[in-house]
Amino acid sequence: SAVISQKPSRDICQRGTSLTIQCQVDSQVTMMFWYRQQPGQSLTLIATANQGSEATYESGFVIDKFPISRPNLTFSTLTVSNMSPEDSSIYLCSVEGTPGGAQHFGDGTRLSIL
Amino acid sequence: EDQVTQSPEALRLQEGESSSLNCSYTVSGLRGLFWYRQDPGKGPEFLFTLYSAGEEKEKERLKATLTKKESFLHITAPKPEDSATYLCAVHLNSGGSNYKLTFGKGTLLTVNP
Repeated sequence: SAVISQKPSRDICQRGTSLTIQCQVDSQVTMMFWYRQQPGQSLTLIATANQGSEATYESGFVIDKFPISRPNLTFSTLTVSNMSPEDSSIYLCSVEGTPGGAQHFGDGTRLSIL
Repeated sequence: EDQVTQSPEALRLQEGESSSLNCSYTVSGLRGLFWYRQDPGKGPEFLFTLYSAGEEKEKERLKATLTKKESFLHITAPKPEDSATYLCAVHLNSGGSNYKLTFGKGTLLTVNP
């Protein structure tokens, strides 16, 4: 399966600032996904990022708050904008091994907002 | 309304004490059900994919089964290294070629030596 690297692995940020999370894959993939994992909650899909097109956001998530870039088939970024303490969470990147098949995840970015 | 429900939320076993974790789902048109293992500080690690009722998959001490409305992850003679959170997810066809994974909240398994 693909090797997925996320940066940073963790960060502590001030309220009102923005942070960009990077996701690098060691092979070309069509679809990349961004999830949020809040304490005691299930992993929730934020958006699907396809190369060459706008990201598709799930209900409750908007582009102004979570802008996503997908410049090529091995890389994507998620920005968490104008952060508040409620944004404290783990953010995970994943890719599909095969279309409609299992997704494989990076180790996530642990974000704390003061 | 939760579409994927996992039970129990937490399970504590003694080493060698076999048990099962449950994942029930209320969605129709299931395209696939996935089991993952997640260790602290790590991302989910893929274990199994099940596509149709009656299907079974095995890996070491783990066996996953699927019926029309639920899946079980059976753990036989567990060891302390099996301690982790086990996540279940279902694949829904959300239109076009996009497949959305919907996760349950997980079962935290602790195996004591």
